[in-house]
Amino acid sequence: ETGVTQTPRHLVMGMTNKKSLKCEQHLGHNAMYWYKQSAKKPLELMFVYNFKEQTENNSVPSRFSPECPNSSHLFLHLHTLQPEDSALYLCASSSPVRGVELFFGSGTQLSVL
Amino acid sequence: GQQVMQIPQYQHVQEGEDFTTYCNSSTTLSNIQWYKQRPGGHPVFLIQLVKSGEVKKQKRLTFQFGEAKKNSSLHITATQTTDVGTYFCAGAGSNYQLIWGAGTKLIIKP
Repeated sequence: ETGVTQTPRHLVMGMTNKKSLKCEQHLGHNAMYWYKQSAKKPLELMFVYNFKEQTENNSVPSRFSPECPNSSHLFLHLHTLQPEDSALYLCASSSPVRGVELFFGSGTQLSVL
Repeated sequence: GQQVMQIPQYQHVQEGEDFTTYCNSSTTLSNIQWYKQRPGGHPVFLIQLVKSGEVKKQKRLTFQFGEAKKNSSLHITATQTTDVGTYFCAGAGSNYQLIWGAGTKLIIKP
């Protein structure tokens, strides 16, 4: 148990569906992140939140919409995804926001049909 | 843009043999972190190196940071089945944003 909990663990969705990924951290960290992990590729940073404020959006398509209601919770809302969006989506937290180790959740394995 | 190249992509070893993975950055790094991801798991932090030429050891694992702070390596002595997984380096650039290598998968031959 890393102190970062992600749900669901697995998700299968059609291209017209709307779903949300949830992340909760119990570590008292200030920063939370969404990463995409595809096979044989480096982890891709999607979004960064620091004290609930979005500080980075790495050119992520608008079909991915993050939400951070407080420093402990992070959501990723998904709609009209494409099959190439199938991947492991990892949430992480840290404190402070840069230069320190990241604590990852177990991830959501997403399949888009 | 900044890149971190990690090699090899895979390494097959017999149990008891050594394993090494290398990372090279296109730019000077502020620090470098190493993570391990077990099959079906998530990345778990192993260590952070900050100083030029730094060497750190964790039991059978030896981590090095190059003098120019542009390369790093992880060496495992006498691998065990518990070492199986993918090892990632992540270098912090001047703005401390992490740039990840693609990982090296350690496979133990039966």
